[in-house]
Amino acid sequence: QLQLQESGPGLVKPSETLSLTCTVSGGSISIKSYYWGWIRQPPGKGLEWIGSIYYSGSPWYNPSLKSRVTISVDTSKNQFSLRLNSVTAADTAVYYCARHWDYFDPWGQGTLVTVSS
Amino acid sequence: EIVMTQSPATLSVSPGERATLSCRASQSVSSSLAWYQQKPGQAPRLLIYGASTRATGIPARFSGSGSGTEFTLTISSLQSEDFAVYYCQQYNNWPPWTFGQGTKVEIK
Repeated sequence: QLQLQESGPGLVKPSETLSLTCTVSGGSISIKSYYWGWIRQPPGKGLEWIGSIYYSGSPWYNPSLKSRVTISVDTSKNQFSLRLNSVTAADTAVYYCARHWDYFDPWGQGTLVTVSS
Repeated sequence: EIVMTQSPATLSVSPGERATLSCRASQSVSSSLAWYQQKPGQAPRLLIYGASTRATGIPARFSGSGSGTEFTLTISSLQSEDFAVYYCQQYNNWPPWTFGQGTKVEIK
């Protein structure tokens, strides 16, 4: 079955760039019927959609983060990536990747990224 | 942006009892609503989509209803594994895809 796995540094310094990759296994990322998305969850808080990308590279971003976010896709590696620049402590969260068109399913296990000096 | 509001924030229920969770949208989302369950340290799991269709492998004690702006998730007889946080999410108007703030179902 389809599985997603996030990877990347667990600690990022303030003002630097957070970079994460989601590796998709058990299926191809080059499927016309799905987006590939990033969602985050600050400790003890709710879920926030960050952005999504189609296999052909057309991204959608949350307006609240749009100025700082870049999502890209590498179909040759079956991966998609998140870059969030100029991070602050408010960006500390568990970051999830997920497949979706409408609803999100399945999800990766999530990775905690802490922003701290 | 469509704002999703869930109530109550916390619901205290005894095992075997019925739990009713509410989700309200700031404008109509038709039936474009999903429910997720999240347990501590785990990713959210899809329970319901299309407001009332159970996802694969979800027990029949979970049911969803509603359309437009008012939605309900009902757990007919709470099992120990059902104590978790539940989120609703709309997918009628995007971007952004938006989630409610969650309802925690705890043991009474």
